[in-house]
Amino acid sequence: ETGVTQTPRHLVMGMTNKKSLKCEQHLGHNAMYWYKQSAKKPLELMFVYSLEERVENNSVPSRFSPECPNSSHLFLHLHTLQPEDSALYLCASSHTSSGETQYFGPGTRLLVL
Amino acid sequence: GQQVMQIPQYQHVQEGEDFTTYCNSSTTLSNIQWYKQRPGGHPVFLIQLVKSGEVKKQKRLTFQFGEAKKNSSLHITATQTTDVGTYFCAYRGSTLGRLYFGRGTQLTVWP
Repeated sequence: ETGVTQTPRHLVMGMTNKKSLKCEQHLGHNAMYWYKQSAKKPLELMFVYSLEERVENNSVPSRFSPECPNSSHLFLHLHTLQPEDSALYLCASSHTSSGETQYFGPGTRLLVL
Repeated sequence: GQQVMQIPQYQHVQEGEDFTTYCNSSTTLSNIQWYKQRPGGHPVFLIQLVKSGEVKKQKRLTFQFGEAKKNSSLHITATQTTDVGTYFCAYRGSTLGRLYFGRGTQLTVWP
């Protein structure tokens, strides 16, 4: 499946680094999402964008900063992360933000040292 | 918000045995979606159920939505090693864009 792509696929960073995760969807969808998936925890929704406007921010620490320049691209800017932020970060998209079927990217596996 | 309880959390079966995972809610759901995540992979949409009592089949997979729309199940007949992965149920909540996921059932199939 290449509908939703994410780069990089793996990332190791120190706590003082700044990095960005990129997501691109080729499905013509209007809504995009960031999820965090930690070991043995449920999927945690972080941010929701609909038509490039952020519509939900689930109490995510400010060290995570999303950006949606257009409906096809979504970024997650990372800075001064903590080791507990190590997880799989999944991007998803859907036709609209009304809870429709979501299509996930392959994820970025992040390790914070 | 609403929460769905998904059970069991883990299931180990011998290849050829059947497998069922359940998703239960204390309140009525508007719909239920099922996703599968292979080890090292990402969640992939399987199916959506909307109607009370709905039953849908995909080859060896049978999906059911309860009459009261408070529970759902995914049943796999004669499991194969390719069925290995974590199965999530998810439902559309009242908040726009919010898809609530269960904790998932991790299925292991022994050859």
